Amino acid sequence: DSGVTQTPKHLITATGQRVTLRCSPRSGDLSVYWYQQSLDQGLQFLIQYYNGEERAKGNILERFSAQQFPDLHSELNLSSLELGDSALYFCASSAGLAVYNEQFFGPGTRLTVL
Amino acid sequence: GENVEQHPSTLSVQEGDSAVIKCTYSDSASNYFPWYKQELGKRPQLIIDIRSNVGEKKDQRIAVTLNKTAKHFSLHITETQPEDSAVYFCAAFNFGNEKLTFGTGTRLTIIP
Repeated sequence: DSGVTQTPKHLITATGQRVTLRCSPRSGDLSVYWYQQSLDQGLQFLIQYYNGEERAKGNILERFSAQQFPDLHSELNLSSLELGDSALYFCASSAGLAVYNEQFFGPGTRLTVL
Repeated sequence: GENVEQHPSTLSVQEGDSAVIKCTYSDSASNYFPWYKQELGKRPQLIIDIRSNVGEKKDQRIAVTLNKTAKHFSLHITETQPEDSAVYFCAAFNFGNEKLTFGTGTRLTIIP
């Protein structure tokens, strides 16, 4: 157990809908990262937050947004969902700002868009 | 942007033999290269990483080598064991734009 929690574990929804994925980092970690893992795309970095502020952006679609709250938990919002958004979404946390601080991954949220 | 290619996509190795996975990157500004292991149905875990100021790093049976000139880096696993079976991802990080780009993964199977 990495200490990172994600809810829900599974999510099934329809195209065009909006969902929110939640991540609680390890105690004391200030950085939260979001990743998308699909079968054909592998792991893709979406976005990083550090202490409430957006720090780095990867290949995150405009339909997706995220935020990190004062208690350091983070939410990833996915809207206007498409079939291709079906994937496993991981969050990870690390103690510091820099990426070479080891990231600890949560168990993931499996999103299925029908 | 950065592009990371990883080879092979699948690799089967006899238990006890060595396994090598190679990655190439395109952006010479990338300067940090982590490797992640993901067992079936589990989360990725960092197993080793290397920064651009060193050419090799070892941790027991695992080693990573980096050739900055050729822009490639490799993961070496020696004396492979069944528990090494997993998908391995390489990644390259550019401190300039703070983006981490992953390779497409290698599914390693250790044959008992």
